Amino acid sequence: NAGVTQTPKFQVLKTGQSMTLQCAQDMNHNSMYWYRQDPGMGLRLIYYSASEGTTDKGEVPNGYNVSRLNKREFSLRLESAAPSQTSVYFCASQGGNQPQHFGDGTRLSIL
Amino acid sequence: DQQVKQNSPSLSVQEGRISILNCDYTNSMFDYFLWYKKYPAEGPTFLISISSIKDKNEDGRFTVFLNKSAKHLSLHIVPSQPGDSAVYFCAATAGGTSYGKLTFGQGTILTVHP
Repeated sequence: NAGVTQTPKFQVLKTGQSMTLQCAQDMNHNSMYWYRQDPGMGLRLIYYSASEGTTDKGEVPNGYNVSRLNKREFSLRLESAAPSQTSVYFCASQGGNQPQHFGDGTRLSIL
Repeated sequence: DQQVKQNSPSLSVQEGRISILNCDYTNSMFDYFLWYKKYPAEGPTFLISISSIKDKNEDGRFTVFLNKSAKHLSLHIVPSQPGDSAVYFCAATAGGTSYGKLTFGQGTILTVHP
């Protein structure tokens, strides 16, 4: 099925380890987004990329870096994982004036 | 500072009755509002949206109402079905019809009982 694919689906890390979350979309969308979802807080925007070659900070960017590798792929990197980054991470893409289309998430636990 | 708030963490409704989910916002720059539905272990899926130039938008069983003066929107589901049981998020964005940089509420868990 066409859509947004996130890998991995689950990951457990130790504090201080690094990790890259991958996201790819096959809908030829220009814009891509990374969110985190925490209990009682809804989804919060970490970083976004309005088009290939551009990235900007969202509401909660600290501790994260992103790379828009090409039009299809947008990765999120944790350089030194902390327990506060335990969360479910969602990637989304958007084309034109259409609603954002979400992947199924990566559940990340940091011990 | 929670700019979009869903004050009811959960709602329980009987099948066939109306479900009403509420959302309040504080940022006057928001001019486009969306509702997303989320099942466990899946990503949010778009349900319905409304522009600030309208006060109502309908799509089948789903209707969204917007009261700009009160900075309040609501989602009505009529009739409710067991398959509607999910978490519902309202989201808002500024900048005309741009859907970028969404600000989400905390979500409301809807349970529809057969």
